[in-house]
Amino acid sequence: GENVEQHPSTLSVQEGDSAVIKCTYSDSASNYFPWYKQELGKRPQLIIDIRSNVGEKKDQRIAVTLNKTAKHFSLHITETQPEDSAVYFCAASTSNTGKLIFGQGTTLQVKP
Amino acid sequence: DAGVIQSPRHEVTEMGQEVTLRCKPISGHDYLFWYRQTMMRGLELLIYFNNNVPIDDSGMPEDRFSAKMPNASFSTLKIQPSEPRDSAVYFCASNKVAGRAMNTQYFGPGTRLTVL
Repeated sequence: GENVEQHPSTLSVQEGDSAVIKCTYSDSASNYFPWYKQELGKRPQLIIDIRSNVGEKKDQRIAVTLNKTAKHFSLHITETQPEDSAVYFCAASTSNTGKLIFGQGTTLQVKP
Repeated sequence: DAGVIQSPRHEVTEMGQEVTLRCKPISGHDYLFWYRQTMMRGLELLIYFNNNVPIDDSGMPEDRFSAKMPNASFSTLKIQPSEPRDSAVYFCASNKVAGRAMNTQYFGPGTRLTVL
């Protein structure tokens, strides 16, 4: 069935360094790939998304890349700040189902 | 729009009691999802609706769980009888699929359920 694998499960970086989180998906029909950030005690919130007709998308310090052939996509955070510390979830969807398949989550810790 | 609204925000109950969680999706959204989040199991999709019709309930853990969506602006998730292992944060989320393009799925604030 549909599956999304996310790595690493935990990531610790120094403030100012870059962080990269990677996900692979199994359903080749997937065409929408959002990333969510969940701070402690809060709801998951969308930070960036990409559709299958695009290879890369940037929004200030965050970027997402997509490799459809390899069926993997990645989140890149540059110049990390302590407020970037949170759990990050990747997800994949085929638009005709409306549902998201989530990865297992990555706990990012940015040390000041 | 106020976003996805959930109530109650916190619920503490005793084992064996019935628990009802409520959700109001964003107006105009045609999909509604119920998730459960725990440290051990992460974020699990329990059930989702399209235009008020249940599409996939394969994530519902047991017959003790049931969900309804009587209209486009209201859904409930019921646990009867509740057990301590049901303790978790339950999120409701909604989104709209316009044509073939899926739009952002928005989460509610969640209901933190504790079953003693």
